[in-house]
Amino acid sequence: KNEVEQSPQNLTAQEGEFITINCSYSVGISALHWLQQHPGGGIVSLFMLSSGKKKHGRLIATINIQEKHSSLHITASHPRDSAVYICAVNSGGSNYKLTFGKGTLLTVNP
Amino acid sequence: DTGVSQDPRHKITKRGQNVTFRCDPISEHNRLYWYRQTLGQGPEFLTYFQNEAQLEKSRLLSDRFSAERPKGSFSTLEIQRTEQGDSAMYLCASSLKDPGGYTFGSGTRLTVV
Repeated sequence: KNEVEQSPQNLTAQEGEFITINCSYSVGISALHWLQQHPGGGIVSLFMLSSGKKKHGRLIATINIQEKHSSLHITASHPRDSAVYICAVNSGGSNYKLTFGKGTLLTVNP
Repeated sequence: DTGVSQDPRHKITKRGQNVTFRCDPISEHNRLYWYRQTLGQGPEFLTYFQNEAQLEKSRLLSDRFSAERPKGSFSTLEIQRTEQGDSAMYLCASSLKDPGGYTFGSGTRLTVV
């Protein structure tokens, strides 16, 4: 079992829909990250969380430390949101290296 | 500062050849990381520098791999005697602290034929 599991693996939505991507982890962590990767490889950091909730524009990230679970929500989705969304953690024993989930491929259709 | 730069963006090489990739981190960032990503997978940790010191090297890195960060600025990742299994995207990232907000480069896609 991977240390970081994401669901779903693939998600197709219509423009305007509310999107939720889930991440579960099995280790103690010092931080959890949500990242966005577009075709071609570039990765953009969206959020770093250690507790609670963060919001940036139409993106909201939450984390429940007790349940070892985080969610990324996208409100009013748009085709430009189409990308791979990756959850990654700094596990307790290492504050520097990231352990990544496999990613969720989101496609938003117009 | 334009972010983390990686060069080249793409590299095609014949099996057995040596290749070297370069990463220029954000200038204020003293922490630098290399990751490798294969198709359909999340990136995997390869190595970590704090300034010029290489503090951890993953067991994924065989003796054919070496990374340096002279003077704590740019970093190079060299692969000797490349194999087809080395084909992957090699990603560099940098940060100011641990854990930190990471800035990733666009990656170097290596294809070994």
